[in-house]
Amino acid sequence: AQRVTQPEKLLSVFKGAPVELKCNYSYSGSPELFWYVQYSRQRLQLLLRHISRESIKGFTADLNKGETSFHLKKPFAQEEDSAMYYCALSGLQGAQKLVFGQGTRLTINP
Amino acid sequence: KAGVTQTPRYLIKTRGQQVTLSCSPISGHRSVSWYQQTPGQGLQFLFEYFSETQRNKGNFPGRFSGRQFSNSRSEMNVSTLELGDSALYLCASSPRTSGGEQFFGPGTRLTVL
Repeated sequence: AQRVTQPEKLLSVFKGAPVELKCNYSYSGSPELFWYVQYSRQRLQLLLRHISRESIKGFTADLNKGETSFHLKKPFAQEEDSAMYYCALSGLQGAQKLVFGQGTRLTINP
Repeated sequence: KAGVTQTPRYLIKTRGQQVTLSCSPISGHRSVSWYQQTPGQGLQFLFEYFSETQRNKGNFPGRFSGRQFSNSRSEMNVSTLELGDSALYLCASSPRTSGGEQFFGPGTRLTVL
C-alpha cells in the first residue's frame, strides 16, 4: 500500500533558524516524491520534486530510499515560508494519482 | 496560460441532494485529477481522467462519479449528499500521462447542511 507520513502537524521556528519538515513513505516500487506548498489564500502548488534535485526558495529535499524518507530542509527560515506543506507520492505507472501526507503547518516567528 | 479553473467556488446543499462540480484544465493538459480535502482526512484522491477515460479511482463510494469531455474539461458528481461530504474539492491538471507536476485549481467549497 502507498502511504505518506508527516509526523508533525505543527512546526514553529524562529526566523533565521534551520527548518526540517519530515516525510516518510511506504511504497514497494520506485516512487516519485514531491513537496507541495499552500500559502495563505493561495492554491496548492509544487515546491520540489525529488527527480529534479534542485533548490527552490532555499529548500532542498533528498530522497533516502534506505530510510524511505524525503525530508524538506532549509538552513535559514524566512517569515514568508509560513505555510502548509504537503509531502506527496506518485507511484503507479501510467497514473497521476498522488498520495498525500497529512501536512505540516509551518510558522516562522519573527 | 490561464490556470486551472473550478466552478462554482462555493456551494451549499442539503442532505440527499446531488451536486455537479466543474473543472477546466490548463490549455493543452489532458490529464485531470480530483481530490477531496477535509480537516480530518486531509487530501484524498478521488479519481483521474486522461483522454476521456477514467484511469484510477480512489476509495470512495459509488455516489462519487466523474467524467471528462473531449476538450479535457471534467466534471464530478456526488449524489445523495451526506453531511460528511462537506469538503474542499480540488481539481488538478497535468500535461503528462503520469508523474510530474500537477497544477491545482482553487477548489470548490461544498457545504452540506
